[in-house]
Amino acid sequence: DTEVTQTPKHLVMGMTNKKSLKCEQHMGHRAMYWYKQKAKKPPELMFVYSYEKLSINESVPSRFSPECPNSSLLNLHLHALQPEDSALYLCASSQGRTRSYYYGYTFGSGTRLTVV
Amino acid sequence: DQQVKQNSPSLSVQEGRISILNCDYTNSMFDYFLWYKKYPAEGPTFLISISSIKDKNEDGRFTVFLNKSAKHLSLHIVPSQPGDSAVYFCAAKGTYSGGGADGLTFGKGTHLIIQP
Repeated sequence: DTEVTQTPKHLVMGMTNKKSLKCEQHMGHRAMYWYKQKAKKPPELMFVYSYEKLSINESVPSRFSPECPNSSLLNLHLHALQPEDSALYLCASSQGRTRSYYYGYTFGSGTRLTVV
Repeated sequence: DQQVKQNSPSLSVQEGRISILNCDYTNSMFDYFLWYKKYPAEGPTFLISISSIKDKNEDGRFTVFLNKSAKHLSLHIVPSQPGDSAVYFCAAKGTYSGGGADGLTFGKGTHLIIQP
């Protein structure tokens, strides 16, 4: 299995809703990432998990809450989002710092989130 | 301030010819550079990378050149094929203090169009 699987592919939520985005990989990668991509913009790093521990939080608002239950799963819990949070949310994984330069990162197809 | 810049939003190349995609960066602490290809409704796909200590890396039809003094890199695709039509992102990896895995900083992307 050489894929990163993200669910759901599309999500519409109200500003008072609570929802979660899920990401799964079975490549044995020890680093997992959340990126946010708005239309016609590059992906922007949100969070990095290394060996199931949060290692980087790029000053993301607390209405986004990441969780890494185990080495294969990464969740992003959403609560009280704003319409400007509408974007494509990409999950990625890599073999970690020592190998990611060569193998790169494997991205999922993303979840297209619309906040209404 | 954008640390990774792709100044050409789009590039049109005839099938069979060479495609050259350019990327400039400002942060001299970046230690690896990567190129990703993205089709609509899919996540980015890793193409090729280069370490900051090298000036060239080749993989099949793809070659990346790095000019460290000019803080410039380019991706060459020879020969260009219709399936190469996609958005190409240049990305750079830096060293975060205390982390075991590093996030990527992306450029805005260049839309490559291969014409028959």
